[in-house]
Amino acid sequence: GENVEQHPSTLSVQEGDSAVIKCTYSDSASNYFPWYKQELGKRPQLIIDIRSNVGEKKDQRIAVTLNKTAKHFSLHITETQPEDSAVYFCAATPNYGGATNKLIFGTGTLLAVQP
Amino acid sequence: NAGVTQTPKFRILKIGQSMTLQCTQDMNHNYMYWYRQDPGMGLKLIYYSVGAGITDKGEVPNGYNVSRSTTEDFPLRLELAAPSQTSVYFCASRHTGGGGEKLFFGSGTQLSVL
Repeated sequence: GENVEQHPSTLSVQEGDSAVIKCTYSDSASNYFPWYKQELGKRPQLIIDIRSNVGEKKDQRIAVTLNKTAKHFSLHITETQPEDSAVYFCAATPNYGGATNKLIFGTGTLLAVQP
Repeated sequence: NAGVTQTPKFRILKIGQSMTLQCTQDMNHNYMYWYRQDPGMGLKLIYYSVGAGITDKGEVPNGYNVSRSTTEDFPLRLELAAPSQTSVYFCASRHTGGGGEKLFFGSGTQLSVL
């Protein structure tokens, strides 16, 4: 089945710096790659997503890039702010044998933005 | 809309006890999911459903059962609780259409098995 690996597990940056989180997936047929943000004690919430027919997507200070050949995708956060501190999860939707409906998550990255 | 509602929020079980985690959504979503989140870890898929009467196993289904008799409800059953099932459980439903596949999560159920 699909396996999603995420790095780093923890990331500490200074306010105003950029942060990059990387994920790799195993199933080359996966076609949907969302990123979720989970603040302490809260539920995960979607912040950005990308489909396999697109190489990059931006939404204000966040962007996601996808390299289908290498089977990896990354989250980029620019001009980080303390409120960006949270756990970030990447995910992939495997696409094989009727399993197009699963969303498999990575292990998460704890981002700490130091003021 | 209330979104996705989970009950209870907290529960302590003794080893061998059983319980049902309730999940209901009022967004008329066909797809629903149960995930577990162990401390400091990611979200693992337990079971999912693509519509009433249809369920399938996820990554970690052992020790759990589900049913989907209505579009709104997707309860998760633990038959013989074990300490390894201590976790936070999230139910989610999925919006499809318009190119988006956003998951809406409930607020979670924190379960301890002692």
